[in-house]
Amino acid sequence: GAGVSQSPSNKVTEKGKDVELRCDPISGHTALYWYRQSLGQGLEFLIYFQGNSAPDKSGLPSDRFSAERTGGSVSTLTIQRTQQEDSAVYLCASSPHAQGAGYTFGSGTRLTVV
Amino acid sequence: QQQVKQSPQSLIVQKGGISIINCAYENTAFDYFPWYQQFPGKGPALLIAIRPDVSEKKEGRFTISFNKSAKQFSLHIMDSQPGDSATYFCAASKGGNKLVFGAGTILRVKS
Repeated sequence: GAGVSQSPSNKVTEKGKDVELRCDPISGHTALYWYRQSLGQGLEFLIYFQGNSAPDKSGLPSDRFSAERTGGSVSTLTIQRTQQEDSAVYLCASSPHAQGAGYTFGSGTRLTVV
Repeated sequence: QQQVKQSPQSLIVQKGGISIINCAYENTAFDYFPWYQQFPGKGPALLIAIRPDVSEKKEGRFTISFNKSAKQFSLHIMDSQPGDSATYFCAASKGGNKLVFGAGTILRVKS
């Protein structure tokens, strides 16, 4: 597609429920990133996929967070047993090569845990 | 050492004026310094980026100034326009991956 597509754009969930957030990167982009943006804050790195290499999970805040990338394309970020502090905008970005210069971000998924 | 400190938190500039946003970093291994522009409800968009082998880069009305010895870099927006009103983020990384972002600056350009 023309850009990075994320779905849903908004998600309201009850505390304790699991949620899945989806990211469709730009076709052909080998690198995919997830970031979290809390209200009034900068972006916090979560996880990075590059080709067939093992993902860099160093930014995941707890074991309730996981992500996968199937077939080197679509990625899903899963948050289990959601907590109120998980409320944020989750942003996905893709890049055409290992050197991340030139990320293209999606518009994000706004997650609200009530 | 991974932090990037950005200032000011918010900025109001008159139309036609110069907007200046500053960032400072600690990690001397950082070798890529981009600036992103974000409008409400949208993801950040790359505006301009610099590598430490140059002290200045200009693209249209946007200029990055880079001071390697001071570990500081700044964004200058010349002839600021109301359409420039947005949130601006500086960032830094080693090798271009895993960007570390500043906290953002909300810019408002008054017409």
